[in-house]
Amino acid sequence: NAGVMQNPRHLVRRRGQEARLRCSPMKGHSHVYWYRQLPEEGLKFMVYLQKENIIDESGMPKERFSAEFPKEGPSILRIQQVVRGDSAAYFCASSPDRDSQPQHFGDGTRLSIL
Amino acid sequence: AQRVTQPEKLLSVFKGAPVELKCNYSYSGSPELFWYVQYSRQRLQLLLRHISRESIKGFTADLNKGETSFHLKKPFAQEEDSAMYYCALLRGSGAGSYQLTFGKGTKLSVIP
Repeated sequence: NAGVMQNPRHLVRRRGQEARLRCSPMKGHSHVYWYRQLPEEGLKFMVYLQKENIIDESGMPKERFSAEFPKEGPSILRIQQVVRGDSAAYFCASSPDRDSQPQHFGDGTRLSIL
Repeated sequence: AQRVTQPEKLLSVFKGAPVELKCNYSYSGSPELFWYVQYSRQRLQLLLRHISRESIKGFTADLNKGETSFHLKKPFAQEEDSAMYYCALLRGSGAGSYQLTFGKGTKLSVIP
């Protein structure tokens, strides 16, 4: 089991471009969480998804950010019209169901905005 | 609102010395607490959780509800313990999910 896979590991974008971050959960896991880590900060919850459903997006900025977890394929975190403040490490975690803990984390995607 | 505080950004100890990484939390409900560790160039991984009451790699952590603390301890530090340590609190949200709230982390450096 390769664990939670995130790609790319590093992503560089210019201001105004779009960033797409991908996360494949562990085999057998159908619940995905996205967290963001700003420099010198702890990880902060963004969104929780099950296959084809967004369950909790209370930590997601209201504009420019969206997430999906389609029936087939990885979960995608999409940031439109990126700004310098979006520079951060974005981590994905997965679990087999809502009540199963702990969450297993990926290596993260480090997003840099020029 | 829930909050996790790790007061030390960096902690340096000599090999063989005791280690205590501090974690305090604020949460109105019944907390479930974790310690995660991130070794250099590796992913975040679970070290231990309070409900398991285990000792992993010589580390222990006891939940003290009176002091709202969950400090991580090890009697004799080893060089391979050098890493970033994050304390995290699990809470249920009104939207039906469980979220982890993390502290800012403590970088432990064990000096040979």
